[in-house]
Amino acid sequence: QVQLQESGPGLVKSSETLSLTCTVSGASISGNTWNWIRQPPGQGLEWIGYMYNSGTIHYSPSLQSRVTISADTSKNQFYLKLTSVTAADTAVYYCAREGFYYDMSAYDGGWFDPWGQGTLVTVSS
Amino acid sequence: DIQMTQSPSSLSASVGDRVTITCRASQGISNSLAWYQQKPGKVPKVLVYATSRLQSGVPSRFSGSGSGADYTLTISSLQPEDFASYYCQQYYSTRRTFGQGTRLEIK
Repeated sequence: QVQLQESGPGLVKSSETLSLTCTVSGASISGNTWNWIRQPPGQGLEWIGYMYNSGTIHYSPSLQSRVTISADTSKNQFYLKLTSVTAADTAVYYCAREGFYYDMSAYDGGWFDPWGQGTLVTVSS
Repeated sequence: DIQMTQSPSSLSASVGDRVTITCRASQGISNSLAWYQQKPGKVPKVLVYATSRLQSGVPSRFSGSGSGADYTLTISSLQPEDFASYYCQQYYSTRRTFGQGTRLEIK
């Protein structure tokens, strides 16, 4: 059973860098696709970016200039860094694996399953 | 980016009602669409992927359909536990995007 757990500071000062860790158990981060998603209080879901096989990375265009996703395969962890944060970055941050299945031996994937339980990060002034 | 527009943004319905939520993409997404349910304070849960494939353990009253740019999630007979928020998500593009959500409330 794949499980994910986010960790990191719950409070970050405005203009500083938000750093989160997602620890994965039950699956190797190598050979899988791992995502970061966030949800501001009372609002909808926003995809931040993903990393595939610790190498291929895609980011949301709206966050691309401030975000970095990386991984440490020896620890089976992946990371999120978001620089120059403002109050608009206050959100619950989730990590999630890409859901996938094989359709007639062809890979199909791109949804999010499973998810971590989420961690609230508040940006203070 | 592919924009995903859900409608309605909120909906009031009664137990036993049939409910349909729609999601329109800004371009065709070749059935690369998933639906999620989220209850207050909880983690989103995938209900449907690849437009119409039901996630294991999801009740059969949930179903998905669609093609091209237009997709729907249908709940055939609302149960009390179905009152929640629902989101669509496209994965046709490497830049994943969600719809803005539909809040399903008890009438």
